Amino acid sequence: IQMTQSPSSLSASVGDRVTITCRASQDIRNDLAWYQQKPGKAPKRLIYAASSLQSGVPSRFTGSGSGTEFTLTISSLQPEDFATYYCLQHNLYPLTFGQGTKVEIK
Amino acid sequence: EEQLLESGGGLVQPGGSLRLSCVASGFSLSTFAMTWVRQAPGKGLEWASSISGSGRTTYYADSVKGRFSISRDYSQNTLYLQIISLRAEDTAVYYCAKGGTHQPLLSSFDLWGQGTLVTVSS
Repeated sequence: IQMTQSPSSLSASVGDRVTITCRASQDIRNDLAWYQQKPGKAPKRLIYAASSLQSGVPSRFTGSGSGTEFTLTISSLQPEDFATYYCLQHNLYPLTFGQGTKVEIK
Repeated sequence: EEQLLESGGGLVQPGGSLRLSCVASGFSLSTFAMTWVRQAPGKGLEWASSISGSGRTTYYADSVKGRFSISRDYSQNTLYLQIISLRAEDTAVYYCAKGGTHQPLLSSFDLWGQGTLVTVSS
């Protein structure tokens, strides 16, 4: 299953609303997670089962979608949110990640 | 507190071998599926291999099949990745990650280690 993530990068300001999209090449139901990775650090899960918020993650992060179209939205970008974001499908082997979206400061 | 700690990375010549370890604490490996994910320098995340909670089922990416072997030692609560016939393109940070259930496909990864760097170069 190919996961097409867009955009590959974006520039945004603190307080902006940011949307990242992942498109699966076939139906993956809701078997999708979103991860945040900062330089030199391990990925951290933000969203699982497409729309469930990981414990401890701020509510400004929301996930939506099912089937082939998925979205991660950050409602009001904070300084600590500048990072790279990846989607992961775990519906079929091989498990596949999106290419990543680097969120940079404008 | 649940934690994962990888070790075993280093500089290896092409064609060489290595065994990576991932020690789990705060939970039992026998209860959860475990996975190795790698990340080449400046690149994205790539799934490499998974093992079920029972250890009876293993899965590999095509790019590593036949050269990587995932296993676990329940007495040591440790996950392993044996790598042989190393290639330059295997150069990456290798992360171990914990699934939410005993079967790899049923859940994404809720806990990651800090990673261990493998560099394949002559």
